Amino acid sequence: EVQMVESGGDLVQPGESLRLSCAASGFTFNNYVMNWLRQAPGKGLEWVSYISTSSTTIYYADSVKGRFSISRDDGKNSLYLQMNSLREEDTAVYYCARDWGGSQPRWFFDLWGRGTLVTVSS
Amino acid sequence: ENVLTQSPGTLSLSPGERVTLSCRASQSVDSNYFAWYQAKRGQAPRLLIYGISIRATGIPDRFSGSGSGTDFTLTINRLEPEDFALYYCQQYGSPPLTFGGGTKVEL
Repeated sequence: EVQMVESGGDLVQPGESLRLSCAASGFTFNNYVMNWLRQAPGKGLEWVSYISTSSTTIYYADSVKGRFSISRDDGKNSLYLQMNSLREEDTAVYYCARDWGGSQPRWFFDLWGRGTLVTVSS
Repeated sequence: ENVLTQSPGTLSLSPGERVTLSCRASQSVDSNYFAWYQAKRGQAPRLLIYGISIRATGIPDRFSGSGSGTDFTLTINRLEPEDFALYYCQQYGSPPLTFGGGTKVEL
């Protein structure tokens, strides 16, 4: 079955760190650029970060630049998001998402995980 | 950034009805780079439409997209029980890519 499953969400205090994982299966993971998106409570979806195939190109939203780090392990079919210096406004459900374009980004997403909840609160 | 505004916020409908969801962009969307997604609580969001009007793989033909410039529409003909969900629009023509706030289609 083609799917992605996020994990690692938790309740943390402001300033703490968390690492999210996304396990992909059922497709050739290393042929796709990947993204993280999030949805805060009561808000719309927000793009967070992008990583190309072979990890050669990486982008971040301004809201997380300098605090979050995206990476991938193609041998493990996995995508990661290291989140440092977390703030209350980072509270959201975090989704990994596959780009429709494969190795050439088209910037819309044809496969998503169910999400993992990150809550930042003192 | 290109802000997307969806209306209405919520629609209360019955199975078999036809529904039209609206999404308005604050700036013209480049090159028809516009998509729609369906989301249900606890499930992975699903791509419905891209390129304004192209149905994604496996999407039934009761879903259709249209529009241009700053005004876009998702139409669902003959609502099925599984269509009651949240719907989001997205533009990917100019960075940063942005999403609308969503329209809830409820029973």
